[in-house]
Amino acid sequence: KNQVEQSPQSLIILEGKNCTLQCNYTVSPFSNLRWYKQDTGRGPVSLTIMTFSENTKSNGRYTATLDADTKQSSLHITASQLSDSASYICVVISPAAHNNDMRFGAGTRLTVKP
Amino acid sequence: SAVISQKPSRDICQRGTSLTIQCQVDSQVTMMFWYRQQPGQSLTLIATANQGSEATYESGFVIDKFPISRPNLTFSTLTVSNMSPEDSSIYLCSGTDHTEAFFGQGTRLTVV
Repeated sequence: KNQVEQSPQSLIILEGKNCTLQCNYTVSPFSNLRWYKQDTGRGPVSLTIMTFSENTKSNGRYTATLDADTKQSSLHITASQLSDSASYICVVISPAAHNNDMRFGAGTRLTVKP
Repeated sequence: SAVISQKPSRDICQRGTSLTIQCQVDSQVTMMFWYRQQPGQSLTLIATANQGSEATYESGFVIDKFPISRPNLTFSTLTVSNMSPEDSSIYLCSGTDHTEAFFGQGTRLTVV
């Protein structure tokens, strides 16, 4: 079972609307959580990085929240644009013995329509 | 932030042949990794590229199939050997300085 679950799997919204993507994880111990945007045919690009003590972090129209107690995170996109169409990937980093214990969610495929 | 250049961006290869993917970082990164991403799936770590020594492979991936080199801190290659259609996927390289992870744009490989 994947330790990082994202929902919904896909989402279609109209331009200008808001949306919220969810990420639930069971990874432990926890170091930080990241949201990446991946355009089709491109590598993931970082949107936000949140540590254990952070509840909310914004990056322009993107706002991420983190509840470390319930192990849930969300990514809220405000006033969506056509260029927001992409896959959004939640990544949880664990400070394990392995040098790079990054656990990837399957992603949410967002389509913004005019 | 680091910029990672990966090439080729895509290729169509005959089964039984090999393809080498190159990854160049514009600044020194501590760690470099290679991932595979099947359509609609999340990223799967293939191996950690170690500078000047053999890569560290994840379960299910072996050196004979995916030989990796990392001669210095800013360059690495991944070879997909003796390809079959099941190897068709997107391959991504990543570099991290322990505060951030950066990704190449990926190589879309189709094996026919």
